[in-house]
Parts: sequence; C-alpha cells; structure tokens
Amino acid sequence: RKEVEQDPGPFNVPEGATVAFNCTYSNSASQSFFWYRQDCRKEPKLLMSVYSSGNEDGRFTAQLNRASQYISLLIRDSKLSDSATYLCVVNSPGNQFYFGTGTSLTVIP
Amino acid sequence: DTAVSQTPKYLVTQMGNDKSIKCEQNLGHDTMYWYKQDSKKFLKIMFSYNNKELIINETVPNRFSPKSPDKAHLNLHINSLELGDSAVYFCASSQAPGGLYEQYFGPGTRLTVT
Repeated sequence: RKEVEQDPGPFNVPEGATVAFNCTYSNSASQSFFWYRQDCRKEPKLLMSVYSSGNEDGRFTAQLNRASQYISLLIRDSKLSDSATYLCVVNSPGNQFYFGTGTSLTVIP
Repeated sequence: DTAVSQTPKYLVTQMGNDKSIKCEQNLGHDTMYWYKQDSKKFLKIMFSYNNKELIINETVPNRFSPKSPDKAHLNLHINSLELGDSAVYFCASSQAPGGLYEQYFGPGTRLTVT
C-alpha cells in the first residue's frame, strides 16, 4: 500500500463550482499534512497546511480526519486560475514525508 | 530575489555522459532536498541534507551523487546517464528537516537523455 494516495482525476469543473479532493495516508502516526499546488511545467508551491481542527484560507478549506486517515481540500467558487495539480504531503515519524501523485483540476469557462 | 535557484534549467545530453545540476538557496534554511519528477508527474525524494550532512538517502542508483559544500548549496552529479534518468529534477529547501516545515522549490531542471 502506498504511503499517500490521491485520485489523479482529472477533475473538470465549470467556473463557480465547488470541488473537493481527498488524500488518504497509511501511517496512523503521521504528524503533519500539507496541500501543495503545481502549475503545468512549474515547481510545487505550498497552498496551505492542514491543521487538526481544520482551516480555511479564502475559498480554500482543508480538513483532517485522523480516524479515517484522510485529508481533504475544498475549493469554493472555482476560478480559471485554480486549474493546476494539487499534491498532498504527509509527514510521518522518522523524518519521512511523502508526496501524493497529485490530482489534476481544470476549471472550464 | 530568487529564493531557490537551479542551473541549468534545461539539459539535453547523450547516454553515457556525466552531468551536474547546481542549486542555491538564499533563505537561510538548514535543509535542502533533491526530488525527481518523472513523466507521470510523481514527485519522489532522492536526497536531503541538513547543515551539509546527508540525512535522507532514498533508493537511488549510485550514479547519482549529491554534494553540499555549504548549507546554502546542494549539487547533484550524475554519472553515466541513462535514458531513464530523463525527468525534471527539483531542488527544495526548508527551515529544518522532518517535513514539518514548508518546502520551497526551485524552478526545476528538465533533463533529457537521448
């Protein structure tokens, strides 16, 4: 079983839609969680950290469900500029951290 | 000012050659990383250095040799290049090791081996 698994998509949604991605992780001792965004032919950049209580940044909401071992990212009111690949990152004990394979999002006009 | 820079941005070379990629960060971070992103977009860590010491050394052919002359620089030398080495190589840095801190990525080096 992979350490981190994501649905690769692609997710094609119209502008203004709400879209959600999930990411599951295998190590129940994992300690920290992040969502990164990668645009085509660019480097990954941090979108947001994921806190235990959940956190929101504008149109983006991240949630952590430790019992089911998944993190989620919700994007409300999708914009064309949200089109990108979204990578989840999970940190496990022993300085190990793992990137998911990414979920591709295309927002359509 | 560029936070994490890599050179070259593109590298096209023939099988069997030896090449190096350089990385520098001006963020004052202690930890630097090399990642490989293959054609399927999977981002896999190769190496990590903390204050010039190797702390992560994933299963990577020993044709790949990282070198950190100081904590602001991490270079990657690849011997006897193979077709399967074609990928984008990203350098990254973070304040400290352990994956607890945001990682800042360089723009990537697109390596094509022919």
